[in-house]
Amino acid sequence: AQKVTQAQTEISVVEKEDVTLDCVYETRDTTYYLFWYKQPPSGELVFLIRRNSFDEQNEISGRYSWNFQKSTSSFNFTITASQVVDSAVYFCALGRRPNTGNQFYFGTGTSLTVIP
Amino acid sequence: GAGVSQSPSNKVTEKGKDVELRCDPISGHTALYWYRQSLGQGLEFLIYFQGNSAPDKSGLPSDRFSAERTGGSVSTLTIQRTQQEDSAVYLCASSSLWDNSPLHFGNGTRLTVT
Repeated sequence: AQKVTQAQTEISVVEKEDVTLDCVYETRDTTYYLFWYKQPPSGELVFLIRRNSFDEQNEISGRYSWNFQKSTSSFNFTITASQVVDSAVYFCALGRRPNTGNQFYFGTGTSLTVIP
Repeated sequence: GAGVSQSPSNKVTEKGKDVELRCDPISGHTALYWYRQSLGQGLEFLIYFQGNSAPDKSGLPSDRFSAERTGGSVSTLTIQRTQQEDSAVYLCASSSLWDNSPLHFGNGTRLTVT
């Protein structure tokens, strides 16, 4: 069975602090995909990043970085020097190969509040 | 190109009435999903369409909920005899068949049942 766990329900940080959002997944698939989405207060879900199961190279995009570790089934998301605009709910998701039925499994989300 | 389009953006209805929510996916996307998000909650999977295959309806909460996808494109989610607990944001998303293709979400329909 597929499952995504985001143990942190809510996090508050002061502006300019670094913050890491945890994501742990479960799957028996050998090929799978991992995603992060951002949902700001306006409500739209914005795609941030995807990783393939066979590519554990970490990625950095500006103040955002992602740490994918298959050994611990984790795909953590770090925001460096947080800003108020980073306040949002962040969802981690697991994707399966196409044609396997329901392809996407979402965590319950982590609500991040950045305090100015 | 155009993103996923949902209509209406807001819908207020009386308890017991039927409602129809529409989703127009990104052109060429064969996979279409409906999710429900109650206030302050995560994403609840409702139904999944993939091409001409039978839809995965395993997430529909009751037989008052149904969905269609006509011509492999536009989808309609219908809720019959609405109840107050149906109040939520209904999100539609689509993706292509390519491996690792992400879901692209619409802005949702906020349904309020009074």
